[in-house]
Amino acid sequence: DIQMTQSPSTLSASVGDRVTITCRASQSITSWLAWYQQKPGKAPKLLIYKASTLESGVPSRFSGSGSGTEFSLTISSLQPDDFATYYCQQYNSYWTFGQGTKVEIK
Amino acid sequence: EVQLVESGGGLVEPGRSLRLSCTTSGFTLGDYAMSWFRQAPGKGLEWVGFIRSKTSGGTTEYAASVKGRFSISRDDSKSIAYLQMNNLKTEDTAVYYCTRHNSGWYGDYWGQGTLVTVSS
Repeated sequence: DIQMTQSPSTLSASVGDRVTITCRASQSITSWLAWYQQKPGKAPKLLIYKASTLESGVPSRFSGSGSGTEFSLTISSLQPDDFATYYCQQYNSYWTFGQGTKVEIK
Repeated sequence: EVQLVESGGGLVEPGRSLRLSCTTSGFTLGDYAMSWFRQAPGKGLEWVGFIRSKTSGGTTEYAASVKGRFSISRDDSKSIAYLQMNNLKTEDTAVYYCTRHNSGWYGDYWGQGTLVTVSS
């Protein structure tokens, strides 16, 4: 099984900050990585797929990068609506998620 | 508008069975593979199982934690996917989500989830 490790687990930031979340795969997944945002009591929402492709309708302040085993999600200027938990997910071999990164208000 | 709506969750005793439904609209279910995921209270996301489209054989795959106990099926004529859960265990307590896989194999649409609580 492919293991996904996210860091940090919690991130405290202010509106307007640039934040970056990293995700590491236990083996190469080329670019088969997605990022999801989840708010309490809600389903995950797709933000990015194929490591760096922005899903339609997702604000351009979100961006993804990486390939192989190292990936990152960056929010260029944090907005009030962005405080949530973020998950990376590999879909190279079945599907596994990172443990999540909670972005909270500083 | 693409919509997925899960139903059938509830409180069930260990060892019993439950069937979840994922009713879809806004797209032709038969053209898509579907998965079920779950999230235990306060925990992360876990893939449960997957069913290919009929044109790709309609076959299924399962996570090791549920293999032999859970099964996924589909009725494309009714636009519904199912998750049959047998011999439920307390550790199966979670919100269960169905998702649609597009050709890229990531889940592009998710339902709102249905809570399954396994407890005596």
